[in-house]
Amino acid sequence: DTGVSQNPRHKITKRGQNVTFRCDPISEHNRLYWYRQTLGQGPEFLTYFQNEAQLEKSRLLSDRFSAERPKGSFSTLEIQRTEQGDSAMYLCASSFRQGSSQGLAGTDTQYFGPGTRLTVL
Amino acid sequence: GDSVTQMEGPVTLSEEAFLTINCTYTATGYPSLFWYVQYPGEGLQLLLKATKADDKGSNKGFEATYRKETTSFHLEKGSVQVSDSAVYFCALSPRRAGTASKLTFGTGTRLQVTL
Repeated sequence: DTGVSQNPRHKITKRGQNVTFRCDPISEHNRLYWYRQTLGQGPEFLTYFQNEAQLEKSRLLSDRFSAERPKGSFSTLEIQRTEQGDSAMYLCASSFRQGSSQGLAGTDTQYFGPGTRLTVL
Repeated sequence: GDSVTQMEGPVTLSEEAFLTINCTYTATGYPSLFWYVQYPGEGLQLLLKATKADDKGSNKGFEATYRKETTSFHLEKGSVQVSDSAVYFCALSPRRAGTASKLTFGTGTRLQVTL
């Protein structure tokens, strides 16, 4: 299977603990996105990487959240001092877009992983 | 900012019935439009897309036409099957230079098809 993979699939933690999620994109994809989905809602954009550069962050991404993509391949999303309001499904998506700059107009098709469901007790 | 509005569900249909799920959007410029589907216990899958006005996206018997004049992208299928039971999400992606292609989603519409 060469799709987007995410680990772990489920995470239960206590309030105040730190958690880290991993996303492995489709191998040739240079763009990687993180979204958060709460029950009964559509996914909401969190952040985006082009190769290893984090180019955009949503205001939803508080300073307790940090994301990295150190070698332009896999990415991690860390939440520090978790709160009950952080409980959600965290989705990763990847895509391929030619060109080195996000200055190019156009769109790319994003392929989603299965998500990591976080429950904060 | 960009937004997507979908009809609320759940939508319950008998097998072989005609399906329409309404989707309208608000965006600057001319975004790309998508329908994603989420089957029970699975991740989001791209169902179809359209990147410019009057384009029709189609896949697995589903169709949607990009209507700029009504800012709509309604999803249709002529004859639904039980296996189509899922949550359907309408989404847009901006096509503005200097902007990431982040997706803005609607709240999703749950479809249940019965025998």
